Amino acid sequence: DAMVIQNPRYQVTQFGKPVTLSCSQTLNHNVMYWYQQKSSQAPKLLFHYYDKDFNNEADTPDNFQSRRPNTSFCFLDIRSPGLGDAAMYLCATSSTSGSDNEQFFGPGTRLTVL
Amino acid sequence: GEDVEQSLFLSVREGDSSVINCTYTDSSSTYLYWYKQEPGAGLQLLTYIFSNMDMKQDQRLTVLLNKKDKHLSLRIADTQTGDSAIYFCAEIASASKIIFGSGTRLSIRP
Repeated sequence: DAMVIQNPRYQVTQFGKPVTLSCSQTLNHNVMYWYQQKSSQAPKLLFHYYDKDFNNEADTPDNFQSRRPNTSFCFLDIRSPGLGDAAMYLCATSSTSGSDNEQFFGPGTRLTVL
Repeated sequence: GEDVEQSLFLSVREGDSSVINCTYTDSSSTYLYWYKQEPGAGLQLLTYIFSNMDMKQDQRLTVLLNKKDKHLSLRIADTQTGDSAIYFCAEIASASKIIFGSGTRLSIRP
């Protein structure tokens, strides 16, 4: 009964080789988020989708893109990964119809860049 | 801009109480949260408090909010080994966005 699923859990890519991380949800939430989390740091919001509306954070590098083809799925594309992009990537969802704005997180994908 | 600060580490003895502290900057935050992250996992909401409350208790967890000082704390009574994790304080920044602190790593010693 997993609610926010991320695949793969571990991803290894080469410097400069495009990579896509995927997230799916069974909660029918209208908001989906992508966070980058480096060791011993807070999750850093990269962008989020409010329904179909894409909201990019001002300091998210152009190297990071996202797609949300439908309510259930959201993808994170890293066009040319650098060594500094190695991190845990967390997907989360929330519903704006809820009263407490709780975010539900997936288990994360740990990205290694060689 | 919004900022949330926490101490990085806390070590307590099993059975003692743990108190994790947090300060935030946005006085207009309506909700403040505590999330827990276990090794290799995503974050999970532990509890939250609405800004018009001073205290919230949920089993072993007690949240205290001091709005004047913009200070939030999480007390875990009778700390167990399963409580070992990183605890993130967070404040709501907009209807669909929250800001996390850097997390406090709680370790339990026998």
